[in-house]
Amino acid sequence: DFQMTQSPSSLSASVGDRVTITCRASQGIGDYLAWYHQRPGKVPKVVIYRASTLQPGVPSRFSGSGSGTDFSLTIDSLQPEDVGTYFCQKYNDVPRTFGQGTKVEI
Amino acid sequence: EVQLVESGGGLVQPGGSLRLSCVASGFMFGTYEMTWVRQAPGKGPEWISYINSNGVLISYADSVKGRFTISRDNAKNSLYLQMNSLSAEDTAIYYCARDGRGSDRIDLWGQGTLVTVSS
Repeated sequence: DFQMTQSPSSLSASVGDRVTITCRASQGIGDYLAWYHQRPGKVPKVVIYRASTLQPGVPSRFSGSGSGTDFSLTIDSLQPEDVGTYFCQKYNDVPRTFGQGTKVEI
Repeated sequence: EVQLVESGGGLVQPGGSLRLSCVASGFMFGTYEMTWVRQAPGKGPEWISYINSNGVLISYADSVKGRFTISRDNAKNSLYLQMNSLSAEDTAIYYCARDGRGSDRIDLWGQGTLVTVSS
């Protein structure tokens, strides 16, 4: 089975900190990776797609990098509204598997 | 307003069936690929099915293959998910979702409909 493995599973940081989350694909997926942010009780929203493209309307403190099997999402200067869980998802082919999530707390 | 609105969820007994519907508005539904995603309580999202814009290309996750059927009616701006042989493991919020133009992300989610499988 195809696996998308995120790390860490959770983290706690302070407002203003730089935070990095990683996602590893079990096989190469090019740059077909998306990142989503889900606040408690809310619907996920895309933050980054094609590994490094910022979704319109998303603050520029979010950035993504990587290709092939290793990817990362970075939040420069963590803000209170950034809390929640972040999921990666592969999009190169079906099944479009999600990672298990990284919970970000302040 | 650009939105997706799901319906059809509810309580069903193990082995039962449900049909979920999703009505799209505010955009050209017939030109977009669509997806169903589910999220069990306290878990991450699980991609379960995909259908291309004209309904010809369809794919399913192994967990639902042979039990679930995705379909669409572009004339009615509607997406469907027929779910058969339901078990407790299918209990989740089911989201209708729109794939972005580059087939590279989900760029629009419905609010979800809760399916509970229990006796």
